[in-house]
Amino acid sequence: EAGVAQSPRYKIIEKRQSVAFWCNPISGHATLYWYQQILGQGPKLLIQFQNNGVVDDSQLPKDRFSAERLKGVDSTLKIQPAKLEDSAVYLCASSFLAGANTGELFFGEGSRLTVL
Amino acid sequence: AQSVTQLGSHVSVSEGALVLLRCNYSSSVPPYLFWYVQYPNQGLQLLLKYTSAATLVKGINGFEAEFKKSETSFHLTKPSAHMSDAAEYFCAVTITGGGNKLTFGTGTQLKVEL
Repeated sequence: EAGVAQSPRYKIIEKRQSVAFWCNPISGHATLYWYQQILGQGPKLLIQFQNNGVVDDSQLPKDRFSAERLKGVDSTLKIQPAKLEDSAVYLCASSFLAGANTGELFFGEGSRLTVL
Repeated sequence: AQSVTQLGSHVSVSEGALVLLRCNYSSSVPPYLFWYVQYPNQGLQLLLKYTSAATLVKGINGFEAEFKKSETSFHLTKPSAHMSDAAEYFCAVTITGGGNKLTFGTGTQLKVEL
C-alpha cells in the first residue's frame, strides 16, 4: 500500500515570496490533515479536511495560508507571502475515518521550508 | 482544551538499559492518548494508543505505556534499549468526538549509546 506522498521535500525561498506544497493521501482515506512542525516543537494542526470540506481551520493563518482539496483526494497548501517564522516542516497526514478517534494518522515525510 | 507535557527534550540511555519517556496530560474529559515516533527525515509513525480499554498498552518494537489517571500520566517505556530506537518521540492527545485532531507534545529526542 502506498503511503502519503508529499512534494517538494525541500524548498528555500526569500521572505515575501510564495510557495505551494502538495499532498496525496493514502487511497480511500477520507480525512486529510496539514500540520506545521517548527524546529523544537511538536506538530501543530493547521487544517483538517473531511473529503473536500474543511472540518477545522481555526489555527490556519488565513491572511497568508490557504489550502484546498478540490476533489476530495490530493491537497495543496499555499503560503503567500512567506515570513521568516514560516520556516518549518509541513506534514501532511491522512486517516480513514475522522470520527473513529483511533488516533492512527498516517504521515508523509514532510516538506521542509526555509524562508530567508 | 486538552494538552500534553513531555518532560525532558533529550534523553540518553545506554544500549540494553531501560527507556522511560515521560508524558503528562491535561484534559477535562477522558482523553485518548498516543505515542508517535519520528525517525530522521521521516514522517511520524504511531507507536501505541490508549483509547479507554486496558490501561497498559503494548505497541510496536517492544514499547509499552501505562495510563494512570491519578497521576495524569502516560509514560512510555521499553525494558531494553536498542540502537535502532534512537528517534524523536511525541506524545499526543485527543478526546471523544475530537475527530482525530491530535494535540502533540514538544517531543523527546532519544539517544542510545553503546
